[in-house]
Amino acid sequence: SQTIHQWPATLVQPVGSPLSLECTVEGTSNPNLYWYRQAAGRGLQLLFYSVGIGQISSEVPQNLSASRPQDRQFILSSKKLLLSDSGFYLCAWRSGSMTRGLYNEQFFGPGTRLTVL
Amino acid sequence: GENVEQHPSTLSVQEGDSAVIKCTYSDSASNYFPWYKQELGKGPQLIIDIRSNVGEKKDQRIAVTLNKTAKHFSLHITETQPEDSAVYFCAARGLSGGYNKLIFGAGTRLAVHP
Repeated sequence: SQTIHQWPATLVQPVGSPLSLECTVEGTSNPNLYWYRQAAGRGLQLLFYSVGIGQISSEVPQNLSASRPQDRQFILSSKKLLLSDSGFYLCAWRSGSMTRGLYNEQFFGPGTRLTVL
Repeated sequence: GENVEQHPSTLSVQEGDSAVIKCTYSDSASNYFPWYKQELGKGPQLIIDIRSNVGEKKDQRIAVTLNKTAKHFSLHITETQPEDSAVYFCAARGLSGGYNKLIFGAGTRLAVHP
């Protein structure tokens, strides 16, 4: 079965500090990977998605960046955090293959709660 | 651009009643419509989905209907229970991003009172 991991679960960082959030998926290969941000009590904002190693699509211009150094690893980074970067960061994956029953579904990880002070 | 509108934003029902959440989408090429349930502090959980070649799908107390002509789809929860209390998101996948992205509604906060 497939599982998705995110770490850390919670993070408190000062303004201006760097950021690195990691997401890994197990039990599948060549997944589509996604980063979302959710402000408190709000909806899901797509930040980046990737359909393969080194392929990153950016949805919202900001001081965040994403990288996919390995097939099942997706990293969200920032060089200098802003107060507005606080939120709940969610990684998600979707099968990129025609595997029966898994072709279209997208699954979310447990999330990382980031507080920038 | 593509848009998914979700109504209502909040919904309060008594235990045992039914709850209905409605979404409309703008991209007529959309072919996949999932629903997610998000409990406090957790990631959204896929609860049911429907593809464009199907009009209705049921899974126990949950059902989803799709009207392609009107470009709207709905989530129906029957015999609601307190554990159904959560935020529900609808989504649609269409031409944007080559069918690689989901466009989400703003969410509905459902409260089921005992």
